[in-house]
Amino acid sequence: QVLLVESGGGLVRPGGSLRLSCAASGFTFSTYGMHWVRQAPGKGLEWVAFIRSAGSGEYYADSVKGRFTISRDNSKNTLYLQMNSLRVEDTAVYYCAKDFAPSSFTGNWLDPWGQGTPVTVSS
Amino acid sequence: DIQLTQSPSSVSASVGDRVTITCRASQGIGSYLAWYQQKAGKAPKLLIHSTSTLEGGVPSRFSGSGSGTDFSLTISRLQPEDYATYYCQHAYGLPISFGQGTRLEMK
Repeated sequence: QVLLVESGGGLVRPGGSLRLSCAASGFTFSTYGMHWVRQAPGKGLEWVAFIRSAGSGEYYADSVKGRFTISRDNSKNTLYLQMNSLRVEDTAVYYCAKDFAPSSFTGNWLDPWGQGTPVTVSS
Repeated sequence: DIQLTQSPSSVSASVGDRVTITCRASQGIGSYLAWYQQKAGKAPKLLIHSTSTLEGGVPSRFSGSGSGTDFSLTISRLQPEDYATYYCQHAYGLPISFGQGTRLEMK
């Protein structure tokens, strides 16, 4: 079955960097766009970024644009989120999610989701 | 950017009740709307996409309707396992966005 496993979360000081990974299995990774979504403690879901299946085309929420970079290695079935210049307000559980439809250009439904990895930005 | 507004923010209901949650988009999104269920400490789960298409394994007591800017999720006969938070999400281009969530609590 489709499995997404995030890793790389942790505690980081404001201004610091962190790289999240999402290991995918159970489907043809290179065929599907992938998303990162985050959820601050006690809050709702916030879409963060999307990358197309071949990696050519990345899109970001305004709140992270210029600081976060989404990328993928289709040879390793792995999705990444490089987070730089971290702020306290970036504290959240970060989920990776598979796009519903293959080769989507602009994203679709998100299914399934990984279990999430927590990121805490605090001094 | 498209904003999604869910109502109510929270609702209390009893097992067996019929519950309806609404989601209003700031502009027309056709039928590009999905609903997710999230239980405490868990990842969201896709329930319905394309406004009214149930994902495999989702009980038939869940249904979705609407088009354009106004959408709804209905649970016809609430079961104990349905207590959760529900989110709508549009897929009418990027950026994708979610509603703020509706918490369904036991009455």
